[in-house]
Amino acid sequence: EPEVTQTPSHQVTQMGQEVILRCVPISNHLYFYWYRQILGQKVEFLVSFYNNEISEKSEIFDDQFSVERPDGSNFTLKIRSTKLEDSAMYFCASNGQAEETQYFGPGTRLLVL
Amino acid sequence: KQEVTQIPAALSVPEGENLVLNCSFTDSAIYNLQWFRQDPGKGLTSLLLIQSSQREQTSGRLNASLDKSSGRSTLYIAASQPGDSATYLCAVQAAGNKLTFGGGTRVLVKP
Repeated sequence: EPEVTQTPSHQVTQMGQEVILRCVPISNHLYFYWYRQILGQKVEFLVSFYNNEISEKSEIFDDQFSVERPDGSNFTLKIRSTKLEDSAMYFCASNGQAEETQYFGPGTRLLVL
Repeated sequence: KQEVTQIPAALSVPEGENLVLNCSFTDSAIYNLQWFRQDPGKGLTSLLLIQSSQREQTSGRLNASLDKSSGRSTLYIAASQPGDSATYLCAVQAAGNKLTFGGGTRVLVKP
């Protein structure tokens, strides 16, 4: 069964460093998303991406964040200068149509020291 | 702003008992509602999606109902098993494509 994959599974970085989180959505899907979950808190929406552009973003998704689909398969989230409060589990998701089930990847646990 | 609440936050039942998990949302103008399962430190597994026009959706031992006008959904898990122990999340999709999540119900099924 097709699934969303994410790499790395864990990443530890120093405050101020740049990180890139990678996702491979399900191959025929057109809509892509990033969410995050700070330990003990709700899953929060960050950004949605369709037709090679951002379709919606939350207040969390400020100038330090960017997304890219560099080729036909990968979808990346970049944090330019990480802060302690960026420590969270980051989930990628995708779906084929906007109102269909969103399928989530296993997540990348980011720890900023 | 859409707010999603799940009650109770935690639930412990003996094996074999039916589980009833509640989800409420403040804005009834939704496209759909999704239930997910999350195991500790893991990703989200989609269980059921109910479109706003539907009242109910079933998959195996799982049954989810939706009352859009009152802003409520209930997930029923019949004849619970220890393997059902996990956190169950509901999420609603309204305008735009983003999901708004509840805080989850942590379920423990005791053998």
